[in-house]
Amino acid sequence: EVVMTQSPATLSLSPGERATLSCRASQSVNRDVAWYQQRPGQAPRLLFYGASTRASGIPARFSGSGSGTEFTLTISSLQSEDFAVYYCQQYTYWHTFGQGTKLEVK
Amino acid sequence: QLHLQESGPGLVKPSETLSLTCRVSGGSITSSNYYWGWIRQPPGKGLEWIGSTTMSYSGGPYYNPSLKSRATVSEDTSKNQFSLKLTSVTAADTAVYYCAASSRGGWEFDYWGQGTLVTASS
Repeated sequence: EVVMTQSPATLSLSPGERATLSCRASQSVNRDVAWYQQRPGQAPRLLFYGASTRASGIPARFSGSGSGTEFTLTISSLQSEDFAVYYCQQYTYWHTFGQGTKLEVK
Repeated sequence: QLHLQESGPGLVKPSETLSLTCRVSGGSITSSNYYWGWIRQPPGKGLEWIGSTTMSYSGGPYYNPSLKSRATVSEDTSKNQFSLKLTSVTAADTAVYYCAASSRGGWEFDYWGQGTLVTASS
């Protein structure tokens, strides 16, 4: 099983700041990584696939990067609606998700 | 625009079988454009893929190895829906269960149902 490890578990930032979330795979997954945002009480929302391709309707302040085993989700200037939990997912070897990073207001 | 809606009992007794259905609108489950899946989320925890099916490839359905012996995913083309059965449930199977879909022919999930909470308890 491919283990996806996200860091940090919790990230405390203020609106307007830049957020950098990391995801590491236990073995190479090429660029087969998706990122999701989950707000309380809601289903996950796809942000990126193929590590860096923005899904439909996702604002440009979100960017994804990485390949192999190291992946990054960056939010350039945090808006109030961005405070949520973020998950990475690999789909090279079936599907496994990271444990999530909670982005909270400082 | 796909719309997915889960349905099924919210309470299942330990050792019994959990059965959920995902009704699909806005697209056909027989289309090779889509990849369908079940994902669950225990209260306060992360996401776990359970299993998937698709008309795009042969050899399916596909299952999380940790659940394969207990999970069954099937399609009902006459009702345009797909289902999940999970046998021998325990308290550890208590979770919000989501059905989801990939519409791009890929393996990421860009459409999700709202989720349904299933509690395994006597």
